[in-house]
Amino acid sequence: DAGVTQSPTHLIKTRGQQVTLRCSPKSGHDTVSWYQQALGQGPQFIFQYYEEEERQRGNFPDRFSGHQFPNYSSELNVNALLLGDSALYLCASSFAGAGNTIYFGEGSWLTVV
Amino acid sequence: AQSVTQPDIHITVSEGASLELRCNYSYGATPYLFWYVQSPGQGLQLLLKYFSGDTLVQGIKGFEAEFKRSQSSFNLRKPSVHWSDAAEYFCAVTTSGTYKYIFGTGTRLKVLA
Repeated sequence: DAGVTQSPTHLIKTRGQQVTLRCSPKSGHDTVSWYQQALGQGPQFIFQYYEEEERQRGNFPDRFSGHQFPNYSSELNVNALLLGDSALYLCASSFAGAGNTIYFGEGSWLTVV
Repeated sequence: AQSVTQPDIHITVSEGASLELRCNYSYGATPYLFWYVQSPGQGLQLLLKYFSGDTLVQGIKGFEAEFKRSQSSFNLRKPSVHWSDAAEYFCAVTTSGTYKYIFGTGTRLKVLA
């Protein structure tokens, strides 16, 4: 049973560039959430996708956008990268429904230089 | 405002000693509570969760946690720590009315041989 998989594992981008991170949910899950974890901090909720729609968003600017595909996989896009966007980006999947347990992938390390 | 507080940033214990990691939450609705563990450079692994019922919950790797509503706490315990338990531990809270998890800032555990 495959868990949550994310790609790429590491990447380096330059300020002002755009980045796309990818996530495949755990088998059977239909909901994907994205979190940002800065160094020394706990994960911060970016948004959640269900039925190909964003259904809740955290306190992140519009530079952060996402997409969910019919096979439930998801992408996180960040435009106009800032140095402060350097972080571990975590994808988590779950069954639909508020309060359901979320399961995390290994994350994508983004460094902005 | 909803929040999770982990008062101890770092904890050091000797192998074989008991462990208690503290977590306090501030949440208006009935909370669902979680503990996750993160090894260096890795994603988050679920240790245990509390939704309702028995306030003492058992998790993986010999961990347990106790929900105390009167103290707004959900402390994690282990009777005898192993060197492999060295990692960062995160407490998180959500509720049935939201899809967002709120995480604490984490407690880094060091285990002395």
